Amino acid sequence: QQQVKQSPQSLIVQKGGISIINCAYENTAFDYFPWYQQFPGKGPALLIAIRPDVSEKKEGRFTISFNKSAKQFSLHIMDSQPGDSATYFCAAAGSGDKLTFGTGTRLAVRP
Amino acid sequence: DSGVTQTPKHLITATGQRVTLRCSPRSGDLSVYWYQQSLDQGLQFLIQYYNGEERAKGNILERFSAQQFPDLHSELNLSSLELGDSALYFCASSAWDSATVGPQHFGDGTRLSIL
Repeated sequence: QQQVKQSPQSLIVQKGGISIINCAYENTAFDYFPWYQQFPGKGPALLIAIRPDVSEKKEGRFTISFNKSAKQFSLHIMDSQPGDSATYFCAAAGSGDKLTFGTGTRLAVRP
Repeated sequence: DSGVTQTPKHLITATGQRVTLRCSPRSGDLSVYWYQQSLDQGLQFLIQYYNGEERAKGNILERFSAQQFPDLHSELNLSSLELGDSALYFCASSAWDSATVGPQHFGDGTRLSIL
C-alpha cells in the first residue's frame, strides 16, 4: 500500500524559531513531493513542491529537504511566525498517479 | 481565494439519505479531484475527472459516485449515508490530467454531518 508517514502530529514553536516536519515514503515510483498548508475552515493550499532530481528547494522562509536514498523529505520553516500556525500536509505521487497525503502536522507558533 | 467553489458549505442530514455536493473548478482547469478529510484518516483521494471522463479512482465507496459535466463542474453523490460518512469533502482542480505535473487548487470544502 502506498503510504506517506508524517511526523510529528503536532508541533509548538516559539516565534522566530525553526519548525521542522518530516515525512517518509515507501514507494520508489513517487517523483513529486508537495507540501500543503491548511488553515481552519479552508482547503489545503500548495506551499512548495520538490522533485527527486534536487536535494533541496527554498522559497522564502520555506525549504524542502529531500533524501532520496532514505526515502524521506522534510519541511523547514525558518523564522516561524504566528501567522504560520496551521496544519501542514506532505504528499507524494508517482507519474500519472494520485496524490497520497500524510496525516498532517498541526503547527502552533507562540508569540 | 483558490478560485474553486464548493457548495453547500455545510450539510446536515440523517442516515440512509442521499446528498449531492457540487464543485466549480477554477476557470480553465480541466481536472477535478474529490477528497474526503476525516480526523482519523487524513485526506483521502476519492476520484478524479478530466474533461468529463473518469481518470483515476481511489478509496471511493460504491455508495458514492461522481460526474463531471460539459461545463466542467462536478458533483459528488453520496447515498445510503452512514454515520461514518461524516467528514469534510474537498474538491480540487488542476489544469493537468496528472497529479504530478502541476498544483491542485482546493476549495474550502463541504462539511457533511450525519445525524
